[in-house]
Amino acid sequence: EVQLVESGGGLVQPGGSLRLSCAASGFTFSDHYMQWVRQAPGKGLEWVGRSRNKANSYTTEYAASVKGRFTISRDDSKNSVYLQMNSLKTEDTAVYYCARGDYSGGVWYPSGPWGQGALVTVSS
Amino acid sequence: DIQMTQSPSSLSASVGDRVTITCRASQGISNYLAWFQQIPGKAPKSLIYAASSLQSGVPSKFSGSASGTEFTLTISDLQPEDFATYYCEQYRSYPFTFGGGTKVQIK
Repeated sequence: EVQLVESGGGLVQPGGSLRLSCAASGFTFSDHYMQWVRQAPGKGLEWVGRSRNKANSYTTEYAASVKGRFTISRDDSKNSVYLQMNSLKTEDTAVYYCARGDYSGGVWYPSGPWGQGALVTVSS
Repeated sequence: DIQMTQSPSSLSASVGDRVTITCRASQGISNYLAWFQQIPGKAPKSLIYAASSLQSGVPSKFSGSASGTEFTLTISDLQPEDFATYYCEQYRSYPFTFGGGTKVQIK
């Protein structure tokens, strides 16, 4: 069974840092691009960023709202992707989901699955 | 950034109804459009990709279509488990962007 499990969420003060982890199982992790999406309490979904696979040099893309503060990395030997969040702001409070993508006809698409989410609360 | 305008923001329907949700992109995205379902308290689940391709394991009561920059999700024969919030997402260009969501409620 394909599964993603996030961990590392919690309460952090504004300006602080936190690192989320997403452990994958049930598929060949190294083949896949992985992305992070967040959802503020009672709000809609917001794309955070994406990491390509080794074949594509692990390159990353980010939303403007987090660029320069958040970093996506991965360790294929541990089947894990990470979201390092620095200089956190109150508006970063959200449930953070990691999600997998797939390929169809040579085109990538956000197939899922998604993890269960990790709640990050930024508050003093 | 590409804006995704989703409508309606909510709708009420009865079991057995057919409902349609629309997403309009602010510029061309070809067919790089996905639909997700989110049940309260749960992670989103992929339904449709490439505008009209059904994700593996998703029942055929869900269907997607496209016309230019307008995309439609249709749900046939609504059942209690279908009452949820639905989101579209464009993945044509960065940053990927989501529609605001459509909450499907029981009438």
